Amino acid sequence: DAGVIQSPRHEVTEMGQEVTLRCKPISGHNSLFWYRQTMMRGLELLIYFNNNVPIDDSGMPEDRFSAKMPNASFSTLKIQPSEPRDSAVYFCASSPRRGGEQFFGPGTRLTVL
Amino acid sequence: DAKTTQPNSMESNEEEPVHLPCNHSTISGTDYIHWYRQLPSQGPEYVIHGLTSNVNNRMASLAIAEDRKSSTLILHRATLRDAAVYYCILREVRGDFGNEKLTFGTGTRLTIIP
Repeated sequence: DAGVIQSPRHEVTEMGQEVTLRCKPISGHNSLFWYRQTMMRGLELLIYFNNNVPIDDSGMPEDRFSAKMPNASFSTLKIQPSEPRDSAVYFCASSPRRGGEQFFGPGTRLTVL
Repeated sequence: DAKTTQPNSMESNEEEPVHLPCNHSTISGTDYIHWYRQLPSQGPEYVIHGLTSNVNNRMASLAIAEDRKSSTLILHRATLRDAAVYYCILREVRGDFGNEKLTFGTGTRLTIIP
């Protein structure tokens, strides 16, 4: 099992550019989570999906952020336009069942200049 | 959300047991106690979880107080690879759909001394 796959692993972009982060959950898992980690705010849940449906997006910081899960094997987190304060490590996690343990990917380190 | 309180940091000698405490005095009856850890430059990793009874798995043991207002994660024999930030988290389960949120605090940074 390859685990949760995230791409890219590192992204450096300039302010104002669109950024798309990608996640492939573990096959058979029906919940998917997007987190953001910074030194100042720690690890924060942005949004999570259950059976491809967004359940709670209250952690999404503002309209510049959007997330989609078009099918059970793929999700994206998009930031448009990006700002320097979006610099962080973004983690994707998946879970095999409601309330089950979450399996985290290696993260995408985003730097917005 | 019910909150947890953990020491900011702890040290332990290699090959000795480690007891990581967590206070959660406002825990509700349906809150599970989860522990995750995050090794340097990696994503968090599930360690263990429980509701009322003590739990054991290959990684650790979880001791839950009778009133559930505190718990302790026990690493029976710490190795250098156990150096990480350990998070104690209450997971709320609400309604039919349930709320799967995990709210991470600042955790305890565990240092293992060779």
